[in-house]
Amino acid sequence: QSVLTQPPSASGTPGQRVTISCSGSSSNIGTNTVNWYQQFPGTAPKLLIYNYSQRPSGVPDRFSGSKSGTSASLAISGLQSEDEADYYCETWDDTLNAVVFGGGTKLTVL
Amino acid sequence: QITLKESGPTLVRPTQTLTLTCTFSGFSLTTSGVGVGWIRQPPGKALEWLALIYWDDDKRYSPSLKSRLTITKDTSKNQVVLTMTSMDLVDTGTYYCAHRPSYDWFDPWGQGTLVTVSS
Repeated sequence: QSVLTQPPSASGTPGQRVTISCSGSSSNIGTNTVNWYQQFPGTAPKLLIYNYSQRPSGVPDRFSGSKSGTSASLAISGLQSEDEADYYCETWDDTLNAVVFGGGTKLTVL
Repeated sequence: QITLKESGPTLVRPTQTLTLTCTFSGFSLTTSGVGVGWIRQPPGKALEWLALIYWDDDKRYSPSLKSRLTITKDTSKNQVVLTMTSMDLVDTGTYYCAHRPSYDWFDPWGQGTLVTVSS
């Protein structure tokens, strides 16, 4: 049972906008920065969004992040087939004194 | 360019101790704010954070695994070592190390190493 709650799956058609949520609490998302990682099968996770909404160099601006209260969201606009992957949110939890990950969301491009 | 690579045994027997080494380049673990973390992923399951070590030797552990984990660094060799005692079948998975540039995120990650626990 993950501290951060993500929907196990999400889907969309090419060109659509898809949003993936990450729900936490005041001791984690409510207080600390949220990061998002993208993982393709058989490969290591890659940083996609950091500090709620910042994109590392090379990440398309189709990917955006936001936070509201104790939840964070990853939005992907202009969905492409190559976006089909697993997505994880991550932050620090002040009560657990630990890094916490969401359970992951498998994105399918129909 | 920052790179990290995990190394260690691919097969471990139940009750044994696992020792994994993360060898990195492109940064120094003596730089203020910098850390290296370990994260694992059982087959088909989610990421699970294990441990972190920072430039000042501050160490953090997963609360659920703290009694079994030890993380150390050797700055002269650019290596971070993770040991996990009392290995069990459920510890099977891919173990990753990752650079933590400023206390707040992991980037980049190593390629990962698959560890199988089996008798």
